[in-house]
Amino acid sequence: AQTVTQSQPEMSVQEAETVTLSCTYDTSESNYYLFWYKQPPSRQMILVIRQEAYKQQNATENRFSVNFQKAAKSFSLKISDSQLGDTAMYFCAFMNRNNNDMRFGAGTRLTVKP
Amino acid sequence: DTGVSQDPRHKITKRGQNVTFRCDPISEHNRLYWYRQTLGQGPEFLTYFQNEAQLEKSRLLSDRFSAERPKGSFSTLEIQRTEQGDSAMYLCASSPGPLRSYEQYFGPGTRLTVT
Repeated sequence: AQTVTQSQPEMSVQEAETVTLSCTYDTSESNYYLFWYKQPPSRQMILVIRQEAYKQQNATENRFSVNFQKAAKSFSLKISDSQLGDTAMYFCAFMNRNNNDMRFGAGTRLTVKP
Repeated sequence: DTGVSQDPRHKITKRGQNVTFRCDPISEHNRLYWYRQTLGQGPEFLTYFQNEAQLEKSRLLSDRFSAERPKGSFSTLEIQRTEQGDSAMYLCASSPGPLRSYEQYFGPGTRLTVT
């Protein structure tokens, strides 16, 4: 069974600074996706960034980038130039491409301070 | 494209009552997923549909839970004889299809409180 672990329940960062959220996962599969989702307070979950396991190059989306270490089963999210609107719960997720089973971590609550 | 919508947004019910939630996916998305999210946790997969066919169910989906998607458009999730442990946020997501199942768009959720 796949498990996703986020070891940082809460983090904070000053506006304009950089923060890294950690995620590790456990799987015996080789064909999978990894995701970071953002869930702002009282708002719906939106996709921040996606990584396909077969791609070695780390995904980037504007201020968001990942550090994907496949052998270590690590998938961290770096947010550069943090903005107040980045305040949210961040969930790391794993999807097995063979069965579409999406597993989420427990989340990291990020607060961006002015 | 109005996004995934869910109704109601909030539901308070007494233990033992039945409740039904509705999810309207993004139009032309033929995959629809249901998740449950308890406080302080990430979403947990419950079930998903490919058009009107229910293809997978989690063992979290007890006999008291039933989901339908009769015409391959909207879906309903019914919980019978609710228990306090059913209190959670119920999330719906849709995706364009099996080749793009990694693109899941989430709705705002239905928050259920069982008293």
